[in-house]
Amino acid sequence: EAEVAQSPRYKITEKSQAVAFWCDPISGHATLYWYRQILGQGPELLVQFQDESVVDDSQLPKDRFSAERLKGVDSTLKIQPAELGDSAMYLCASRQTDEQYFGPGTRLTVT
Amino acid sequence: QKEVEQDPGPLSVPEGAIVSLNCTYSNSAFQYFMWYRQYSRKGPELLMYTYSSGNKEDGRFTAQVDKSSKYISLFIRDSQPSDSATYLCAGLGQNFVFGPGTRLSVLP
Repeated sequence: EAEVAQSPRYKITEKSQAVAFWCDPISGHATLYWYRQILGQGPELLVQFQDESVVDDSQLPKDRFSAERLKGVDSTLKIQPAELGDSAMYLCASRQTDEQYFGPGTRLTVT
Repeated sequence: QKEVEQDPGPLSVPEGAIVSLNCTYSNSAFQYFMWYRQYSRKGPELLMYTYSSGNKEDGRFTAQVDKSSKYISLFIRDSQPSDSATYLCAGLGQNFVFGPGTRLSVLP
């Protein structure tokens, strides 16, 4: 069964350091999302891609976060510099029609 | 007011019980509704999605949507300890909007 892949699964970094997460969506899914999920809350959208284009990044803190999907397939989310408040689960999801599928997430801890 | 609201629980039930999980939403633009199951430290797993008002059944799970009252429900029959997880509801308008999730524990 096709799945969304993410790496790393866990990341511990010190504040002010740079960190990057990678996502490979289900093959053929043109729409890709990055979400942030804080413990006890639902996922909140950071950025949405349609192929290689950003459709919605209104909730992405652009002073420190960046996202790209250069060839319209896999995607990278970067944080630089990381802050203590960035500790959360970062989820990637891909979508076909109206069904959205999540990857296993990257749990980030900033110390 | 958040667009999608859920009681965060925790909800504890004995094995075999019928579980009712509920969400309310405020955005009339939502066309589709989903339920996700999320185990601890894992990504959400799509359980069911529905478009119209009414019921949709899949095995032990039934999703119910009432657009007139902006109320969605998930029923789990014959609950099992393996159903213990957080259940997230979501609505889809322009984008997916999630509730905070309800934590469910099914006790053996």
